[in-house]
Amino acid sequence: AQTVTQSQPEMSVQEAETVTLSCTYDTSESDYYLFWYKQPPSRQMILVIRQEAYKQQNATENRFSVNFQKAAKSFSLKISDSQLGDAAMYFCAYRSVLAGTYKYIFGTGTRLKVLA
Amino acid sequence: DAGVIQSPRHEVTEMGQEVTLRCKPISGHNSLFWYRQTMMRGLELLIYFNNNVPIDDSGMPEDRFSAKMPNASFSTLKIQPSEPRDSAVYFCASSLATSGGRDTQYFGPGTRLTVL
Repeated sequence: AQTVTQSQPEMSVQEAETVTLSCTYDTSESDYYLFWYKQPPSRQMILVIRQEAYKQQNATENRFSVNFQKAAKSFSLKISDSQLGDAAMYFCAYRSVLAGTYKYIFGTGTRLKVLA
Repeated sequence: DAGVIQSPRHEVTEMGQEVTLRCKPISGHNSLFWYRQTMMRGLELLIYFNNNVPIDDSGMPEDRFSAKMPNASFSTLKIQPSEPRDSAVYFCASSLATSGGRDTQYFGPGTRLTVL
């Protein structure tokens, strides 16, 4: 069974600085999707970025980018020029693409604090 | 699109009462998920529907919980009778599932349930 591990329960970053959130996963599959979701105090789960395992190029969405290391099964999220609005819980998630699968496997989350 | 819509946003009820949570998925999506989020257990998948049919309800905690999806634009999660340990944030998410499994889940704002 696949697992997703976020080993950093909490991180802090100074406003305008860069922070990297870690995520590792375990799978025997060669093709899958990985996601980062953001959950601000409003509780809304917001999709931040998505990575397809068969694509070697790291996904980027404005100030958010990932470092996808398939061999190491690592999927870290880098937030550049951190803003106060980036403060939230961040969840990493894995989705198999095998036929008949549908579940997302979520990590336990990392709480990001942004310091003014 | 308005995104996934959930109602109510907050619900406070007394133990033993029936609670009904509602969800309207994104138009055109064919998969719907109900999750429960608590501090202790994180994000748990309760039930998954595909094309209005329940595919996996193994995450439903007990017989007090039931979910229906009478049509493609509406789903309910019912708890009867409710207990204090049911207090949590309940999320509905929807996606357009394809045979290749390359879908992305979009979450609603959640319903915060408090059972006194």
